[in-house]
Amino acid sequence: NAGVTQTPKFRILKIGQSMTLQCTQDMNHNYMYWYRQDPGMGLKLIYYSVGAGITDKGEVPNGYNVSRSTTEDFPLRLELAAPSQTSVYFCASSLSEANTEAFFGQGTRLTVV
Amino acid sequence: QKEVEQNSGPLSVPEGAIASLNCTYSDRGSQSFFWYRQYSGKSPELIMFIYSNGDKEDGRFTAQLNKASQYVSLLIRDSQPSDSATYLCAVTGATNKLIFGTGTLLAVQP
Repeated sequence: NAGVTQTPKFRILKIGQSMTLQCTQDMNHNYMYWYRQDPGMGLKLIYYSVGAGITDKGEVPNGYNVSRSTTEDFPLRLELAAPSQTSVYFCASSLSEANTEAFFGQGTRLTVV
Repeated sequence: QKEVEQNSGPLSVPEGAIASLNCTYSDRGSQSFFWYRQYSGKSPELIMFIYSNGDKEDGRFTAQLNKASQYVSLLIRDSQPSDSATYLCAVTGATNKLIFGTGTLLAVQP
């Protein structure tokens, strides 16, 4: 059972570089989320989607972009990497927003130098 | 004001004791409330959710919700060293966003 799969697991970027964090789920979930987690902190919502073609900003969207062309995939794009984007990124999915479990990927540890 | 607030801890309890974790939220329209557990270096995993006022019990865990006070708590009975982790409170509402608090680090001492 794959669940939520994130790639890559680790990445080092130079300042100004771009990259896409991939997230795919095989549970036919409508809702998908991207979070970042800084050391010793909770999860901060970057972007979320309630279905294919629909995305919305979360708490900390600046410096990121997303798309949701299919139910399964929800990639996160960093256009001009900055040291402040050094963090662990988690993708999650759930069937709906209420009373259902959000399943998380294994996380991507990103360092911007 | 943060949408979801938790005491960062650490909360230290002896093995076998009751651990009490608390969370407050700012949006009165919030509808569903979740407790996740996160071990160091791992992904969060769901422990419980609650959406009605009152208590909900599942094994050693009890979630308590008071919407009038905008307060949700998690009690862990007979705490074990394996319960040592960060506990994250999360809330959803009409906006469909799943918002997390900063988490409380629990340390259960053998």
